[in-house]
Amino acid sequence: AQKITQTQPGMFVQEKEAVTLDCTYDTSDPSYGLFWYKQPSSGEMIFLIYQGSYDQQNATEGRYSLNFQKARKSTNLVISASQLGDSAMYFCAMREVIQGAQKLVFGQGTRLTINP
Amino acid sequence: DSGVTQTPKHLITATGQRVTLRCSPRSGDLSVYWYQQSLDQGLQFLIQYYNGEERAKGNILERFSAQQFPDLHSELNLSSLELGDSALYFCASSVGTSGTNTGELFFGEGSRLTVL
Repeated sequence: AQKITQTQPGMFVQEKEAVTLDCTYDTSDPSYGLFWYKQPSSGEMIFLIYQGSYDQQNATEGRYSLNFQKARKSTNLVISASQLGDSAMYFCAMREVIQGAQKLVFGQGTRLTINP
Repeated sequence: DSGVTQTPKHLITATGQRVTLRCSPRSGDLSVYWYQQSLDQGLQFLIQYYNGEERAKGNILERFSAQQFPDLHSELNLSSLELGDSALYFCASSVGTSGTNTGELFFGEGSRLTVL
């Protein structure tokens, strides 16, 4: 069963507008972590922001913030004041721990295009 | 710069051949992860090593193998290559089996494999 779902294959946004990228997850583990990564056209994976399942507040990192709704199992990434350089693939991921070993499970990604 | 080094960055080879991808983790990181990113499969977890030992296995084909050496660098060996093995192969590292306090993975720039 798919554990991370990103329902928006692509999004187009005007420069300087805010954008919300959706991500829902499925887990029965009470302790988990959620991550967002950015992959520009050059290919590298860049860590953006993290949310722990026990965190009381929504995570923020500069222009990036998370709308973490635990009961709905969603963690949407909000990018404020979008810039042309924000055009990239964005991946949501969840930390999965099996027999003491962890891995990140990724969603299929959302391709964000910022229009001038 | 994540501190994770992968070589080669690009590799073109023929079906049936064997290649080796190399990864040097960040200084101090004991865990190494391998991921495969293809157009139709997204980011797929292949295998994880911690301090030289295999800790978790994902969707890794029997034609693929990996190891982590005493100096903590890792190699991913791909043999009897098929057209469908063409993909971007990422190495990532973290401090331990449970990563940092967040579990963040630091990714290399990837090795792009093209099988003709």
